[in-house]
Amino acid sequence: GQNIDQPTEMTATEGAIVQINCTYQTSGFNGLFWYQQHAGEAPTFLSYNVLDGLEEKGRFSSFLSRSKGYSYLLLKELQMKDSASYLCAVSDSNYQLIWGAGTKLIIKP
Amino acid sequence: ETGVTQTPRHLVMGMTNKKSLKCEQHLGHNAMYWYKQSAKKPLELMFVYNFKEQTENNSVPSRFSPECPNSSHLFLHLHTLQPEDSALYLCASSQGPDITDTQYFGPGTRLTVL
Repeated sequence: GQNIDQPTEMTATEGAIVQINCTYQTSGFNGLFWYQQHAGEAPTFLSYNVLDGLEEKGRFSSFLSRSKGYSYLLLKELQMKDSASYLCAVSDSNYQLIWGAGTKLIIKP
Repeated sequence: ETGVTQTPRHLVMGMTNKKSLKCEQHLGHNAMYWYKQSAKKPLELMFVYNFKEQTENNSVPSRFSPECPNSSHLFLHLHTLQPEDSALYLCASSQGPDITDTQYFGPGTRLTVL
């Protein structure tokens, strides 16, 4: 079956760095997405990786290793507003998005 | 504000009621989606429409009935729901049917079935 695994919850301190991991087993691969979802709000797009390596976008970076079925989202200089759930999703061979359950990130002062 | 609106934001209904959820996108997109989001579970894709034609129905019970009158509007008609259908229902849109196109989500409708 197809599966996306990510930690349920993580806690980090304001100003620090946190890495949220995502591992996947899917039938085919057409890219991996990261979305951010604040409580009670819509998920919003953060990044898309289809090639191996690191994509940097401001304080957020996303890494992909297709051979390992692994990605991470790196958040630097954490701010209180970064408290949210982070969703990992993979596009499979049928171009269907397979979603993880999300990682709830709690930022403490 | 993502350009995708959903109404109502909250809905409480009995199992014998009939209600409809509405989604509208102002982005000029051609594809629209309905998702179900339950606590601590992955997003579940329910329906996909591309250019008003339904292209995906992920074994969704018939008590959920989608309608897409045009590329900008999407409805989800609900009837004789069960308590386990209580969840956040999210609408999304994307430029085209290619799943690698970024999806833009609405804020969702929080549905409670009594």
